[in-house]
Amino acid sequence: DQQVKQNSPSLSVQEGRISILNCDYTNSMFDYFLWYKKYPAEGPTFLISISSIKDKNEDGRFTVFLNKSAKHLSLHIVPSQPGDSAVYFCAATINYGQNFVFGPGTRLSVLP
Amino acid sequence: DTGVSQNPRHKITKRGQNVTFRCDPISEHNRLYWYRQTLGQGPEFLTYFQNEAQLEKSRLLSDRFSAERPKGSFSTLEIQRTEQGDSAMYLCASSLVPEAFFGQGTRLTVV
Repeated sequence: DQQVKQNSPSLSVQEGRISILNCDYTNSMFDYFLWYKKYPAEGPTFLISISSIKDKNEDGRFTVFLNKSAKHLSLHIVPSQPGDSAVYFCAATINYGQNFVFGPGTRLSVLP
Repeated sequence: DTGVSQNPRHKITKRGQNVTFRCDPISEHNRLYWYRQTLGQGPEFLTYFQNEAQLEKSRLLSDRFSAERPKGSFSTLEIQRTEQGDSAMYLCASSLVPEAFFGQGTRLTVV
């Protein structure tokens, strides 16, 4: 039973445009959500997070939106840059970090 | 470099051999996690320490797997009698606040 889902395995976006990566979850006990970026042969790199008591968090070009009623979150990258090309993982946790449950990832390709 | 450090980066072993990986977390972090990642999948939770106490273990962690964190500092993950299905990237992460920070991982190949 996959508790965190990323239904788009891949996404291609033109440089300078907006990238929107989506994530859905099933467990209403999740109280903190995170996005990670991963390059090949490296560990995931933390990008941005959001608590379940908020609906938006912004950090530079990255914004995460949380819709609790729909159990949905999204990561917006504006403007997209070729260096953003990587696999993006959505993760969720209960009790603020006791265990992180990851989605399967979305491969983002930003085309010059 | 004050990030999470994992050694070795790569390990090739014959089926049936034992292997041990080491993780050095960020020094002030009290939580330490082990994850496993295979191609095309997200990281899968294996186990979690708070200081030296192992608080949670996944059912993925069979009795061939054991993890320790003596004195609440570095951690080791040992796999006994390795099988080809153990081939994966083993990731360690540490955290003080909700965000966890990952090391570069250890790529295990069982031949």
